[in-house]
Amino acid sequence: EIVMTQSPATLSVSPGERATLSCRASQSVSSNLAWYQQKPGQAPRLLIYGASTRATGIPARFSGSGSGTEFTLTISSLQSEDFAVYYCQQYNNWPPGRTFGQGTKVEIK
Amino acid sequence: QLQLQESGPGLVKPSETLSLTCTVSGGSISSSSYYWGWIRQPPGKGLEWIGSIYYSGSTYYNPSLKSRVTISVDTSKNQFSLKLSSVTAADTAVYYCARRVVVVVAATPGAFDIWGQGTMVTVSS
Repeated sequence: EIVMTQSPATLSVSPGERATLSCRASQSVSSNLAWYQQKPGQAPRLLIYGASTRATGIPARFSGSGSGTEFTLTISSLQSEDFAVYYCQQYNNWPPGRTFGQGTKVEIK
Repeated sequence: QLQLQESGPGLVKPSETLSLTCTVSGGSISSSSYYWGWIRQPPGKGLEWIGSIYYSGSTYYNPSLKSRVTISVDTSKNQFSLKLSSVTAADTAVYYCARRVVVVVAATPGAFDIWGQGTMVTVSS
């Protein structure tokens, strides 16, 4: 079973600054990785799929990179609406067990 | 605009079966381009994938829940459903239904691109 590990658990960033979130897979997932944003009381929203492709309507300040076991979500200039929890998800191995990472909370510094 | 809406009891007794339905509107559940799935989130915790289904009825389940989970599809009603048996307090969570894009190369479920708003289910006597 592939395990997805996100770091850090919490990231404190000032508005306008850059945020870099990491997601590591215990074995290769190729580029079959997605990133989601979740705000309190809301369903998750798809940001990135295929490791680096932005979903429809997602601002260009969100970018994804990586392949294999190491992935990064970068928010180039944090806006107030970006403070949320971010999850990575692998969909390479079937059936997956713990397909989602445990999440990274991006909070205001 | 495709939308998903979960429905079902908000309170289930321990040892009973949790039953939820997801109604798809604004599009067809019978599209060959998508799977449909259930995900849950215990209060204050992360996301857990439960299972996914194709319109043909093919299913994939989380191995940790497989013995208790049944997901089915009703294309005539544009709905899919979740049944989770022998529930305990550990099954208390917000349950989401979501659409999954098919990964074309592998013909397997990919990312969840559209989500329902979620429904809270509490397991308690």
